[in-house]
Amino acid sequence: GAGVSQSPSNKVTEKGKDVELRCDPISGHTALYWYRQSLGQGLEFLIYFQGNSAPDKSGLPSDRFSAERTGGSVSTLTIQRTQQEDSAVYLCASSLGRSEAFFGQGTRLTVV
Amino acid sequence: EDQVTQSPEALRLQEGESSSLNCSYTVSGLRGLFWYRQDPGKGPEFLFTLYSAGEEKEKERLKATLTKKESFLHITAPKPEDSATYLCAVQRPGGGTSYGKLTFGQGTILTVHP
Repeated sequence: GAGVSQSPSNKVTEKGKDVELRCDPISGHTALYWYRQSLGQGLEFLIYFQGNSAPDKSGLPSDRFSAERTGGSVSTLTIQRTQQEDSAVYLCASSLGRSEAFFGQGTRLTVV
Repeated sequence: EDQVTQSPEALRLQEGESSSLNCSYTVSGLRGLFWYRQDPGKGPEFLFTLYSAGEEKEKERLKATLTKKESFLHITAPKPEDSATYLCAVQRPGGGTSYGKLTFGQGTILTVHP
């Protein structure tokens, strides 16, 4: 596709349920990022994949959060046993190496 | 730890009233500083990358500049459609697992009134 695609665009889930958020990066981009943005806040780094290197997971807030990137392309962010404080917009971005990152529209997650 | 501070938090301008947004950073070496624009309900949109002190980039009514400690986004004769949140981010040089990671500031909310 022409840009970074994220799905679903909106997700409402019950507290305690697991959710999976998907990101399709720009074709050929080697790097993929996940960020979280709470209402009125800046972007909080979650995890970063670069080629075949081990991902930088330093931003994951707890062990309930995990992410994988299959075949160097599509990525899935999984949140287990969701809590109300997990409610936020989850943004994915991709880049060619360390050049500028291009963002998707985000997935708005609401935990009720 | 890398720190990025943007000021002001919010800025209200009249159409045509030029101003500047500030991005101050503390980082162990800087590979690049990035400016993004974010409209409500959308992902950030890339504007500029600056790599070295003294560098300037321009696009329409926007000009970004970089020093060793901060970057400015100058807005000349803004229009209402320039209203958005403007974000800056820093990227470190070198390798390791933080290769390429972007650290963002909190953003400046710009409102331009007609």
